[in-house]
Amino acid sequence: DAMVIQNPRYQVTQFGKPVTLSCSQTLNHNVMYWYQQKSSQAPKLLFHYYDKDFNNEADTPDNFQSRRPNTSFCFLDIRSPGLGDAAMYLCATSLGTPRTDTQYFGPGTRLTVL
Amino acid sequence: SQQGEEDPQALSIQEGENATMNCSYKTSINNLQWYRQNSGRGLVHLILIRSNEREKHSGRLRVTLDTSKKSSSLLITASRAADTASYFCATVIQGAQKLVFGQGTRLTINP
Repeated sequence: DAMVIQNPRYQVTQFGKPVTLSCSQTLNHNVMYWYQQKSSQAPKLLFHYYDKDFNNEADTPDNFQSRRPNTSFCFLDIRSPGLGDAAMYLCATSLGTPRTDTQYFGPGTRLTVL
Repeated sequence: SQQGEEDPQALSIQEGENATMNCSYKTSINNLQWYRQNSGRGLVHLILIRSNEREKHSGRLRVTLDTSKKSSSLLITASRAADTASYFCATVIQGAQKLVFGQGTRLTINP
């Protein structure tokens, strides 16, 4: 089945230790998104790629970076995780823009920062 | 400030009853979408309703949109225990290229 896969599902890191979360998709969608969702809050868009074009949200901290080496994969790098970065990180894809197309979400990676 | 706000924040009903959740937003939209999230999981898309549409149905789900009041509602009929989840509305603001999610309604269906 076509899907969005996130690895790992649970990630524990230490304060200040770089961490990378991965997302892959078999939908062949053009757009890939990364959201941060803290407990009992709304998902918040960090950035997205439309093909190879990177679009950063204005309030996304510099500590967060992303890479999309090909259509199928997208990575979220947190360079120096702080305690406030503990959250669920959701990857999503869509064929086109949100103005016309729905988003398909992966199961998420729950990040714990010790 | 939040684009979408949902009401109620939490709703608990008996299995078989209907559940209604409301979403209000502030600025003109291109479309409004509803998503479901089971505890600790990703979001699942339910329905997309465009700004020129007033009502859409999908199985036991009915979504209405009133652009004059900047509000939408999600009705789940004949609720089941498996409907227990958080439900989020998300809007695409006109001219923007992203979804903005509301805070969600936590729905509990009691057997």
